[in-house]
Amino acid sequence: DQQVKQNSPSLSVQEGRISILNCDYTNSMFDYFLWYKKYPAEGPTFLISISSIKDKNEDGRFTVFLNKSAKHLSLHIVPSQPGDSAVYFCAASEWPDNDMRFGAGTRLTVKP
Amino acid sequence: DSGVTQTPKHLITATGQRVTLRCSPRSGDLSVYWYQQSLDQGLQFLIQYYNGEERAKGNILERFSAQQFPDLHSELNLSSLELGDSALYFCASSVLSSRTEAFFGQGTRLTVV
Repeated sequence: DQQVKQNSPSLSVQEGRISILNCDYTNSMFDYFLWYKKYPAEGPTFLISISSIKDKNEDGRFTVFLNKSAKHLSLHIVPSQPGDSAVYFCAASEWPDNDMRFGAGTRLTVKP
Repeated sequence: DSGVTQTPKHLITATGQRVTLRCSPRSGDLSVYWYQQSLDQGLQFLIQYYNGEERAKGNILERFSAQQFPDLHSELNLSSLELGDSALYFCASSVLSSRTEAFFGQGTRLTVV
């Protein structure tokens, strides 16, 4: 059962523009959400997280938005840079455990 | 460098065999997680340990087992290996057991032939 879904396998944007990566979840008990970035031959790297008590969290060029009623979160990258090209995974967990459930990932390509 | 160390980086073995994957968490981290990533798939949660105790279990096969030792390192044992077990196995660690980010190692690529 895929509780976390990333329906877009890939996304291509121009350098300097906004990248928007989307994620949907089905488990209404999830209360902590994360985004990870993964380069080939490396492990996933934590990017940004958000608790269910918030609807927005910002860190530099990265902003995560959470819409609990729609069970949807998104990651905005502004401005996008070629070095942002990677696979992005969203993940969710339910208190009190931290067994993060991951989506299938979206491959972002930022073109110079 | 995330601070999480996984060994070996690559492993090739035959069907029916047994292997052990090792993970050393970041200094101070009490939680260890194991994930499996098959070709072009997402990360499938296998199991979580916190301070030596099993904390959560995901889609881990009965042929697989794990443990976390007193020094907090963890091992994932895979037995009676099948071709479909070929995958990247990631270990991650975190300080807390909930509502926290985890830091991933570089993974062990297991190939079963």
